[in-house]
Amino acid sequence: DTEVTQTPKHLVMGMTNKKSLKCEQHMGHRAMYWYKQKAKKPPELMFVYSYEKLSINESVPSRFSPECPNSSLLNLHLHALQPEDSALYLCASSQAKTPSTGGYTFGSGTRLTVV
Amino acid sequence: AQSVTQPDIHITVSEGASLELRCNYSYGATPYLFWYVQSPGQGLQLLLKYFSGDTLVQGIKGFEAEFKRSQSSFNLRKPSVHWSDAAEYFCAVGSTGFQKLVFGTGTRLLVSP
Repeated sequence: DTEVTQTPKHLVMGMTNKKSLKCEQHMGHRAMYWYKQKAKKPPELMFVYSYEKLSINESVPSRFSPECPNSSLLNLHLHALQPEDSALYLCASSQAKTPSTGGYTFGSGTRLTVV
Repeated sequence: AQSVTQPDIHITVSEGASLELRCNYSYGATPYLFWYVQSPGQGLQLLLKYFSGDTLVQGIKGFEAEFKRSQSSFNLRKPSVHWSDAAEYFCAVGSTGFQKLVFGTGTRLLVSP
């Protein structure tokens, strides 16, 4: 299995809702990432988990809460989002050591719309 | 700090014609360079990567890229473009130990009949 699977593919939520995005990989990768991508922009890093521990938080607002329950799963919990948080949320995974050298495997993303 | 510049926001190429997408990077040490492709509403697919060794790297879908240290460039090429190549292309740079890639702003490729 060489894929990163993200669910749901599309999500519409109100500003008072609580929802979660899910990411799963079975490649034995021990680093997992959340990226946010606005239209016509490059992906921007949000969080990095290495060996199930949060290693990088790119000053993301607390209304985004990541969770890595095991080496194959990565969640992003959403609460009280704003319309400007509407974007494509991409999950990626890689080898944990020198991940940049191995490149990342990206999922197909969750298209989030906040109304 | 690392940075990547893709000077062309969009490029239009006729189907069957050759393609070159430009990428310039800024990094003090040996960079690790990547090209990704993204179709509308989709995730990113790795086309190819350069770590060391042969400066001409081959990737998937008939793409290749050449690393030129003297020009700080890593341009992507394809000899004959197909309509299915229309997409957004991102160049990215990483470095050993850094848990992040820095992406360029992307180049949108349009393929005309």
